[in-house]
Amino acid sequence: EPEVTQTPSHQVTQMGQEVILRCVPISNHLYFYWYRQILGQKVEFLVSFYNNEISEKSEIFDDQFSVERPDGSNFTLKIRSTKLEDSAMYFCASKEWQTVNTEAFFGQGTRLTVV
Amino acid sequence: DQQVKQNSPSLSVQEGRISILNCDYTNSMFDYFLWYKKYPAEGPTFLISISSIKDKNEDGRFTVFLNKSAKHLSLHIVPSQPGDSAVYFCAASGNTGKLIFGQGTTLQVKP
Repeated sequence: EPEVTQTPSHQVTQMGQEVILRCVPISNHLYFYWYRQILGQKVEFLVSFYNNEISEKSEIFDDQFSVERPDGSNFTLKIRSTKLEDSAMYFCASKEWQTVNTEAFFGQGTRLTVV
Repeated sequence: DQQVKQNSPSLSVQEGRISILNCDYTNSMFDYFLWYKKYPAEGPTFLISISSIKDKNEDGRFTVFLNKSAKHLSLHIVPSQPGDSAVYFCAASGNTGKLIFGQGTTLQVKP
């Protein structure tokens, strides 16, 4: 069964350092998303990406965040200068269609710990 | 942002009985609703969904009911099994495709 894969599963980084979280969406999907879940809180939308550009972003997704689809398979989330409050589980998701009612498939997540 | 709410943080049921998980929403523009199941250290796994043009969708032991006038949906699991023990998230989306999640309900099914 096709799945969304994320690497690494756990990333520990020093405050102020840059991190790149990687995702390989399901191959025929066209819409890509990043979500995060701070410990004990709800899963929050960060950004959606379609046709090589951001289609929507949340207030959380400020100038420190960026996304990229560097090739035909990878989808990355970069945090330029990490803060302690960026510590969270980050989930990548993909959908085949946006407006047709289809579910998003999630990866297993990357646990980011900023120390 | 409390557009999607799951007011019960936890639920405990006996194996074989019905589990009912509830979810309320406030945004009338939501037209698609989903339930995801999540185990610790894993990503959300899609369970079942319902479009706003329906009031019920069934898949095996799982049934989702939607009451648009009350802006309420519920997930019924019958019969409940110990393997159903997990965190269940309700999510809603409109025409942008992004999901707005509730806080989650931890279901424990006791053998």
